Amino acid sequence: AQRVTQPEKLLSVFKGAPVELKCNYSYSGSPELFWYVQYSRQRLQLLLRHISRESIKGFTADLNKGETSFHLKKPFAQEEDSAMYYCALIGAAGNKLTFGGGTRVLVKP
Amino acid sequence: EAGVAQSPRYKIIEKRQSVAFWCNPISGHATLYWYQQILGQGPKLLIQFQNNGVVDDSQLPKDRFSAERLKGVDSTLKIQPAKLEDSAVYLCASSRGGSYNSPLHFGNGTRLTVT
Repeated sequence: AQRVTQPEKLLSVFKGAPVELKCNYSYSGSPELFWYVQYSRQRLQLLLRHISRESIKGFTADLNKGETSFHLKKPFAQEEDSAMYYCALIGAAGNKLTFGGGTRVLVKP
Repeated sequence: EAGVAQSPRYKIIEKRQSVAFWCNPISGHATLYWYQQILGQGPKLLIQFQNNGVVDDSQLPKDRFSAERLKGVDSTLKIQPAKLEDSAVYLCASSRGGSYNSPLHFGNGTRLTVT
């Protein structure tokens, strides 16, 4: 079975400080991993995915297969980064997308 | 492009009553998903359609939940009879292909309260 764990329910940081959201997964094969974000009063939307190797809005995420982690990082948090962040995993083509429990990020001025 | 449309936005019913939710996906998106999101948890997949065929319904409580996607476009999700633990936000999403290669586009959701 595949599982995604986000150990922090809430992360509170000051503007300009680094922020790191933890995501750990369990899956026996080689998964594809994603971060989805939901800003206040907006829809859940894709932030980034591992296979793209891209930086979106200053966020990056590195897949560590040894530690089965896909942590999301941003060196300098902005107030507009305040949102709910969900890590998600898909095991293979045709498999279902499984979400973690989410981490609320609050960036204080 | 127009986003995924869901209705109603809110619904309050008593336990043992029935309820139905409607979803209109983005035009051209072959795959449609229904997720259940209980307060404080991440979304949980209930059912996934590819065109009008079911790809995965392993987590759908089939004794009370049903879903259909007629003509491979709109979809309805029904609960009959509802239980208190069905209180949640029901999210519909669509993607151009499967979720492995295509990002999911979510609707605003329907917030269901069962009293």
